[in-house]
Amino acid sequence: AQKITQTQPGMFVQEKEAVTLDCTYDTSDPSYGLFWYKQPSSGEMIFLIYQGSYDQQNATEGRYSLNFQKARKSANLVISASQLGDSAMYFCAMRETSGATNKLIFGTGTLLAVQP
Amino acid sequence: NAGVTQTPKFQVLKTGQSMTLQCAQDMNHEYMSWYRQDPGMGLRLIHYSVGAGITDQGEVPNGYNVSRSTTEDFPLRLLSAAPSQTSVYFCASSLRGLSYEQYFGPGTRLTVT
Repeated sequence: AQKITQTQPGMFVQEKEAVTLDCTYDTSDPSYGLFWYKQPSSGEMIFLIYQGSYDQQNATEGRYSLNFQKARKSANLVISASQLGDSAMYFCAMRETSGATNKLIFGTGTLLAVQP
Repeated sequence: NAGVTQTPKFQVLKTGQSMTLQCAQDMNHEYMSWYRQDPGMGLRLIHYSVGAGITDQGEVPNGYNVSRSTTEDFPLRLLSAAPSQTSVYFCASSLRGLSYEQYFGPGTRLTVT
């Protein structure tokens, strides 16, 4: 069965520094997709970035980039130039392809605190 | 566009009571789903729908019912609330499918005493 692992329950970073949030996955499906979502203290889930397994380049969206290492089965989120507003919970998710309908499975999340 | 809306934001129920969590989206998305979020467990899929009139079970469906009579609305019914259903509930919709980018509602925090 597919699985998503986020091993960092919490992280601290200084404002303006870069931070990497880890995500590893396990799947035997050659076609899969990986997502990162942000959940601020207000509670809503915000889509950040997506990487397809066949994408040749690492995905980037503004200050967010995805360090996709297929052989290592990792899809780490890199946030450059951290801002106080980046303090939030971050979830990695993967497209699950077992069964008739594809679904998303989520990791347990990493709580990021940006310090001034 | 309001996106995905959920009501109520907060609810306290007694064990055995029933209630319906409302979810609506105005983006004309075919795919809608309900997740629950518990501490240390990420989000888990409860039920989902691939279009009006079509629903199916997710990972943790027991104790919940859904229906999808219109494209816009996807209510989640708790039949007989239990303390184990204390959680934060998120409704989500998607244009392309359940395994693509999801647009989430603001969540409903439910406490069952």
